[in-house]
Amino acid sequence: YELTQPPSVSVSPGQTARITCSGDALPKQYAYWYQQKSGQAPVLVIYEDSKRLSGIPERFSASSSGALATLTISGAQVEDEAAYYCSSTDSGGNHRVFGGGTKLTVL
Amino acid sequence: EVQVVESGGGLVQPGGSLRLSCAASGFTVSSSYMNWVRQAPGKGLEWVSGLYIGGRTYYADSVKGRFTISRDNLKNTMYLQMNSLRVEDTGVYFCARDSVVTATPGGMDVWGPGTTVTVSS
Repeated sequence: YELTQPPSVSVSPGQTARITCSGDALPKQYAYWYQQKSGQAPVLVIYEDSKRLSGIPERFSASSSGALATLTISGAQVEDEAAYYCSSTDSGGNHRVFGGGTKLTVL
Repeated sequence: EVQVVESGGGLVQPGGSLRLSCAASGFTVSSSYMNWVRQAPGKGLEWVSGLYIGGRTYYADSVKGRFTISRDNLKNTMYLQMNSLRVEDTGVYFCARDSVVTATPGGMDVWGPGTTVTVSS
């Protein structure tokens, strides 16, 4: 089971960044989104398709429709530069899987 | 404070073994969905294994039969016994707990800093 993400996305500060994630199980399983800055552990930003974890800025939002999940950063900031990973579970709900990651550049 | 800290990484030859530990504080490992996630140098995240409520264990195909996940309830610690190590097992190994905020397991909101495993001759 695989999740597919674009390798990179680039935006200017203040613009909207959208990162996609596609996978066959997404219509039935939740999508999760992680932010990982260089040299740090990942941070969960979105859970269950579209819910923002406490403490995550409101500019982070997400949605999921069919086999496609999308993370949106509205008004991206320089500090949002990071790798972003989508994650989900296989059809059985027990094995986790990560997408290949998307490097977001904001400059 | 809720946190996990990994230890036990190091340099090992191909075919060798290592045991990683994940010490938890602020919550109970046996009442949580716990995971090991690794990251090869310059690469993405890869889920390795899960130890879930009730003691159920799950493994990625890449490590099944070589790695064993377990826990010690008295020490509130999770382990990953890694045998028959391969060069491709090299990376940073993270311990992560599933969020207790979510209605269903799947999102990991507590991560350790990671411990580095290097498999090389």
